[in-house]
Amino acid sequence: GNSVTQMEGPVTLSEEAFLTINCTYTATGYPSLFWYVQYPGEGLQLLLKATKADDKGSNKGFEATYRKETTSFHLEKGSVQVSDSAVYFCALSDMNDMRFGAGTRLTVKP
Amino acid sequence: DTGVSQDPRHKITKRGQNVTFRCDPISEHNRLYWYRQTLGQGPEFLTYFQNEAQLEKSRLLSDRFSAERPKGSFSTLEIQRTEQGDSAMYLCASSLSLTGGMETQYFGPGTRLLVL
Repeated sequence: GNSVTQMEGPVTLSEEAFLTINCTYTATGYPSLFWYVQYPGEGLQLLLKATKADDKGSNKGFEATYRKETTSFHLEKGSVQVSDSAVYFCALSDMNDMRFGAGTRLTVKP
Repeated sequence: DTGVSQDPRHKITKRGQNVTFRCDPISEHNRLYWYRQTLGQGPEFLTYFQNEAQLEKSRLLSDRFSAERPKGSFSTLEIQRTEQGDSAMYLCASSLSLTGGMETQYFGPGTRLLVL
């Protein structure tokens, strides 16, 4: 079945550091891939998505590229801010099935 | 429309009691999903509706759980005879599916359930 494996946290970075959160997936079909973010006290928000191989999703300085050959969708940001502190979830959807990773908590210190 | 809303935001109940949660999706969305999220984990799919039809249910959805979407708009999730293991955040999401595939889902703030 479909599954998502996400880099374990927590991750603590200083402001302006480079961020990578790894995500790999297993799927029988050709899923769409997503990153969702959950800020403290709020619901999940879509951060970015990619629907086919080699697509790059980007938003708010975050990027992730759909890599079919490595079944990965790693999240990157060149310079994190304190306001990026949140929990990040990688997810995949394939027709009627949506699976989430366990989440990675990011804390950015000034 | 300001997004998906859920009510209540928090619920504390005693073991054995019944609870019901409500979700109001984004108005033009035809799909509505329920998930459960426990501490330190990602959301786990429970069930989803396309309009008023319940199309899929996870094996996580025991016979104590029932969900409805009677008019294809809001939905309710009822848990009967609650157990301590039911304590979790219950999330609702909605999407607009025009092609039959899995479109982007928009999440509500969740209902946090604590069973004592």
